[in-house]
Amino acid sequence: EIVLTQSPGTLSLSPGERATLSCRASQSVSSSYLAWYQQKPGQAPRLLIYGASSRATGIPDRFSGSGSGTDFTLTISRLEPEDFAVYYCQQYGSFGPGTKVDIK
Amino acid sequence: QLQLQESGSGLVKPSQTLSLTCAVSGGSISSGGYSWSWIRQPPGKGLEWIGYIYHSGSTYYNPSLKSRVTISVDRSKNQFSLKLSSVTAADTAVYYCARAYDFWFFDYWGQGTLVTVSS
Repeated sequence: EIVLTQSPGTLSLSPGERATLSCRASQSVSSSYLAWYQQKPGQAPRLLIYGASSRATGIPDRFSGSGSGTDFTLTISRLEPEDFAVYYCQQYGSFGPGTKVDIK
Repeated sequence: QLQLQESGSGLVKPSQTLSLTCAVSGGSISSGGYSWSWIRQPPGKGLEWIGYIYHSGSTYYNPSLKSRVTISVDRSKNQFSLKLSSVTAADTAVYYCARAYDFWFFDYWGQGTLVTVSS
């Protein structure tokens, strides 16, 4: 079973700043199977990125994904007020513990 | 636009069986290339995958829950269901149903339903 770890646990930033979130797998995974989700309080998760770097339908281009092997990154180029949320990475049946992006 | 809606009992007694249904609208549950999944989230915690049922009817479960989980599909009603037996307080969570593209990523989610295990 692959274990995903995410860092940092919390990221405190201001609107307009760049956010860089990390997801590390316990063993090498195909980038085809790595996805990122955004979850706001009281809402279901929303798919942002699949295949490590492909944006889901309707996702703004300030969200980008990259990486391969065991190390993957979600980047938000300029934080908008609506981007403050928890972000999860996922590969098959494993989810990372999440990174909370909150307002500094 | 595909929509998923969970329904079922919001309160289950310890040792009993949790039962939830996910109604799918705007698309067929029999469409090839997709699987249908249950995912849960204990209050204030992260996401835990419970299992999938593939369009063929094959099922795949989280090993940690496998002995207690059954996922089934009712194609005539375009819905799928979750049964989790011998529940304890640790099973208290928001339960989501979701569609997965193959087994790769979850592109459509229900709004979630809170199930509390308490006597």
